[in-house]
Amino acid sequence: DTAVSQTPKYLVTQMGNDKSIKCEQNLGHDTMYWYKQDSKKFLKIMFSYNNKELIINETVPNRFSPKSPDKAHLNLHINSLELGDSAVYFCASSQLSGGMRETQYFGPGTRLLVL
Amino acid sequence: AQSVAQPEDQVNVAEGNPLTVKCTYSVSGNPYLFWYVQYPNRGLQFLLKYITGDNLVKGSYGFEAEFNKSQTSFHLKKPSALVSDSALYFCAVRDTAAGNKLTFGGGTRVLVKP
Repeated sequence: DTAVSQTPKYLVTQMGNDKSIKCEQNLGHDTMYWYKQDSKKFLKIMFSYNNKELIINETVPNRFSPKSPDKAHLNLHINSLELGDSAVYFCASSQLSGGMRETQYFGPGTRLLVL
Repeated sequence: AQSVAQPEDQVNVAEGNPLTVKCTYSVSGNPYLFWYVQYPNRGLQFLLKYITGDNLVKGSYGFEAEFNKSQTSFHLKKPSALVSDSALYFCAVRDTAAGNKLTFGGGTRVLVKP
């Protein structure tokens, strides 16, 4: 009955590799997000999709490419991984059509370590 | 641009004592304010939010927060802290003039000692 789920939970990989993180929500929300939490625990938004359309794209290297096949899924693909990409990546979802008062609900996070 | 400040990196409190975690914000429109808690190796859990109405907002696990427009603050409080409240707390703001982007403070680690 998990609301927002992410796979994998842990990801250890070599520099230069390409990897994907998947996110699924079963809350019926129309908007999904990716956030990055760095080693100092600072959280920053990366992307947001509303009904499969990109609506927020912060200053993120173009090695990061989100893909939303449907409203319930938002995947994050990262090309040519670098050491600085090591972080915890959180997926979140909300119902944007309900207005900005709507709460964002977060997944458990994917801990990425680039060696 | 919207921003959030949590001036304390860590707050230490004895079990049973009141707990306060400070948050101040800066927005150009009307603020929507949120508190989340992160337990070790876990995701963020929603605690409470202020949208409009009463300045005192009650949330999960006995937490409450007071919205103060003149001081641009939204401090999180709990009358009697538990050891299990030890976690990382994040304040966040959504600015009506900045779309649906949620901006987080740097987090405050709370340590409740028995």
